[in-house]
Amino acid sequence: GEDVEQSLFLSVREGDSSVINCTYTDSSSTYLYWYKQEPGAGLQLLTYIFSNMDMKQDQRLTVLLNKKDKHLSLRIADTQTGDSAIYFCALSGGYNKLIFGAGTRLAVHP
Amino acid sequence: DTEVTQTPKHLVMGMTNKKSLKCEQHMGHRAMYWYKQKAKKPPELMFVYSYEKLSINESVPSRFSPECPNSSLLNLHLHALQPEDSALYLCASSQNTGKNTGELFFGEGSRLTVL
Repeated sequence: GEDVEQSLFLSVREGDSSVINCTYTDSSSTYLYWYKQEPGAGLQLLTYIFSNMDMKQDQRLTVLLNKKDKHLSLRIADTQTGDSAIYFCALSGGYNKLIFGAGTRLAVHP
Repeated sequence: DTEVTQTPKHLVMGMTNKKSLKCEQHMGHRAMYWYKQKAKKPPELMFVYSYEKLSINESVPSRFSPECPNSSLLNLHLHALQPEDSALYLCASSQNTGKNTGELFFGEGSRLTVL
C-alpha cells in the first residue's frame, strides 16, 4: 500500500522561510494535498497540487512536486507565529480514501 | 455555510455506557467520513458514506456503529468501548466521491475519553 513519510519536527525563526518535506511510494494519486492542524482543532486543507504540475504558488505558500523522486514539499514564506501547527501531507489511497503522512510539527520562535 | 459541525466537543464515558457523536454539514456534500486520531498521530479512516450508503468500513470493531440518517447528518454510535478507544474523532465531508477525492472539510472533532 501507499506509504507517506514526513519528518516529525521543524523549528524556524519568525520571518524566515519554512520548508516541510514529504516522500511517498505510490505515484498514482492525481492530486497531492497539504493539510494544517492547529492544537485542539480539525484539519484544514491548505493547498493541493495536480500531479502533472511541478509547482504551485498561493500567496505565502509554494508547493513543489518532484515526481521522479516522489518528493513533495511545502514552503511557507515569512513564517509567522500563527503558522505554528502540524502539517500533514496526504495522497489519494483509492476510492474516497486519503493516506496521511505522520505530520510535521512546525514551531515558530521569535 | 462551509462548516462541518460536530457535537459534543468533549465526551467522557464509562465502558458500559452508550453514547453518540453527531456531525452535520449543509454544503450539499455527498460523501461523509469518520476518522479517528490518537495523540501525535495522523487521522485514520474509519468509515465513509457515499450518497448516504456505507461505502467503506476499515475493519472497525462493531462497538462503533455509524449511521447516516440523511445527506446532512452523520452519527457514530458508541457502545462498550475500551480505554484505548480514547481519541479525537473527526468528521469530514467532501463534495465529490471517487478515486481522487481529497478535498475534505473537517469538523473540529469530538474528544472522547473512555474510563
